[in-house]
Amino acid sequence: DAKTTQPPSMDCAEGRAANLPCNHSTISGNEYVYWYRQIHSQGPQYIIHGLKNNETNEMASLIITEDRKSSTLILPHATLRDTAVYYCIVRGGYGGATNKLIFGTGTLLAVQP
Amino acid sequence: SQTIHQWPATLVQPVGSPLSLECTVEGTSNPNLYWYRQAAGRGLQLLFYSVGIGQISSEVPQNLSASRPQDRQFILSSKKLLLSDSGFYLCASGGRSSYNSPLHFGNGTRLTVT
Repeated sequence: DAKTTQPPSMDCAEGRAANLPCNHSTISGNEYVYWYRQIHSQGPQYIIHGLKNNETNEMASLIITEDRKSSTLILPHATLRDTAVYYCIVRGGYGGATNKLIFGTGTLLAVQP
Repeated sequence: SQTIHQWPATLVQPVGSPLSLECTVEGTSNPNLYWYRQAAGRGLQLLFYSVGIGQISSEVPQNLSASRPQDRQFILSSKKLLLSDSGFYLCASGGRSSYNSPLHFGNGTRLTVT
């Protein structure tokens, strides 16, 4: 799986949009970009994933650049409950059906009141 | 949708004692199953994964083992715990043969070895 690079921490004001960047410059054509978050002492929560096109669901939007070398997760109206570590993971490629997720260190998003 | 059950939620065990953590999955069949560990202040490390009953792959050498006696049951074990086995253990489930299918995680077991 390709490596990802994320800032270690970010702040966001409550009610504002949180834009979390991720670089994945070595991504392959059949690898997906996944986003998870982990609130303290809980299991990781799936947020969204995409391959080439931008994606939106009830939690967030995922913007993937045209060359697919970077992406941005957007939480449109951050709340205090969105404070968590956010993981950007590139997943896929060749080599079988193990479907593993390999986590990096993520970005600690602190939503400020 | 899938639900992943893990128990117990917390566990305190002495060094040298055995361990058995259980994970069961509802709402899916033939899943891939995974055990992850998160040491204090560290990231999530994949320990084991299974693509079917009795099929276990280990990602890192360690003091732990895993078994899958039934399609939706995944067990993490140790014969003799070490202090370094302390951590937050997470079970995850995902669809087979598809990178377009998210993994879903349980709420974890926090193990403290004393």
